[in-house]
Amino acid sequence: NAGVMQNPRHLVRRRGQEARLRCSPVKGHSHVYWYRQLPEEGLKFMVYLQKENIIDESGMPKERFSAEFPKEGPSILRIQQVVRGDSAAYFCASSPSRSYYGYTFGSGTRLTVV
Amino acid sequence: EDKVVQSPLSLVVHEGDTVTLNCSYEVTNFRSLLWYKQEKKAPTFLFMLTSSGIEKKSGRLSSILDKKELFSILNITATQTGDSAIYLCAVVDNNNDMRFGAGTRLTVKP
Repeated sequence: NAGVMQNPRHLVRRRGQEARLRCSPVKGHSHVYWYRQLPEEGLKFMVYLQKENIIDESGMPKERFSAEFPKEGPSILRIQQVVRGDSAAYFCASSPSRSYYGYTFGSGTRLTVV
Repeated sequence: EDKVVQSPLSLVVHEGDTVTLNCSYEVTNFRSLLWYKQEKKAPTFLFMLTSSGIEKKSGRLSSILDKKELFSILNITATQTGDSAIYLCAVVDNNNDMRFGAGTRLTVKP
């Protein structure tokens, strides 16, 4: 596993459905970060998780959005009752320690809400 | 397979030095290239480049794109310790899919 794996790469959901985005960090990395990118804009921080714990969710909407990083398995970003405004690319990054350096980014999941 | 390669992977300089960071890419249906500075939770957007040969400038930072040779450079003049960060290059294709390079870790010593 050379890098961060995100799937699916593209996800289409109808309004009101649920979207589940998965992120498998670099092997050995226990810190995961989720970002949202709107077209032609920068990356916006959403949530920072360490195994089984949410460390910082200050960038994540309180309603409909949740994230987890279980002891086993990938990190999941879950969006319930999606709306058109949720359409964006969602990127995941991982790091081996609580540091602002050394992040590895995944290729992202593009969510389209129709 | 599409790829974005940054070099060097890390760089240590002294305050006042000028640095050049490189980003080469192989991407189908290229649309734009972006540079970010990462030192906090979220990368800070620096530049977006879409046309060859047109330099973008912001203070001591500047960047240019060469679409024929498929690369971009980011220059920082008169470096300061606050420039220490990881600099990320990302390429966007016509589907708006974005691919990041591994980053260049810049350390500026006093």
